[in-house]
Amino acid sequence: GNSVTQTEGPVTLSEEAFLTINCTYTATGYPSLFWYVQYPGEGLQLLLKATKADDKGSNKGFEATYRKETTSFHLEKGSVQVSDSAVYFCALKGSQGNLIFGKGTKLSVKP
Amino acid sequence: ETGVTQTPRHLVMGMTNKKSLKCEQHLGHNAMYWYKQSAKKPLELMFVYSLEERVENNSVPSRFSPECPNSSHLFLHLHTLQPEDSALYLCASSRDRGGGQETQYFGPGTRLLVL
Repeated sequence: GNSVTQTEGPVTLSEEAFLTINCTYTATGYPSLFWYVQYPGEGLQLLLKATKADDKGSNKGFEATYRKETTSFHLEKGSVQVSDSAVYFCALKGSQGNLIFGKGTKLSVKP
Repeated sequence: ETGVTQTPRHLVMGMTNKKSLKCEQHLGHNAMYWYKQSAKKPLELMFVYSLEERVENNSVPSRFSPECPNSSHLFLHLHTLQPEDSALYLCASSRDRGGGQETQYFGPGTRLLVL
């Protein structure tokens, strides 16, 4: 069945450090892939998405590239800020239209 | 502002109580979803509605009862819950249910505590 595996947190970085959160998936075909972010006390917000292989999604300095050969969609940012502290979820779109999420990765950025 | 609102934001209830969670979307979408977010577990899809018709129920216990009176509103009726039902309940909507490119937009969630 479809599944998503992502970096197990928590991840703690200093401000301006480089961020990578790994995401790999198992699925039939080539599903759309998403990164959602959840700030403390809030719901999920779409951060970026990619709908086909080799697509790069980007938003707010974050990037992720859809790699079908490695079934991955790793999230990267060159210089994190304290305001990026949140929980990040990788997800894929299932055949029924539902989202299948990873367990989430908590990121804490220290000044 | 995501265009999806949920009320209440926090709820404490006893195991014999009956309560309802409300979700409203202002995006003109046709599909709405209930998800459950428990500590240390992935987000779990509970129910999906498309054009006000329930199309998926992921083996959710009958103590959770959804209702979708129109495409803008979604309710989750709760009765005789268990402490393990304590979680964050998230509502989402999308333009349509299917389609690989459809994005789901989430509300802020209702934090439920069952005592």
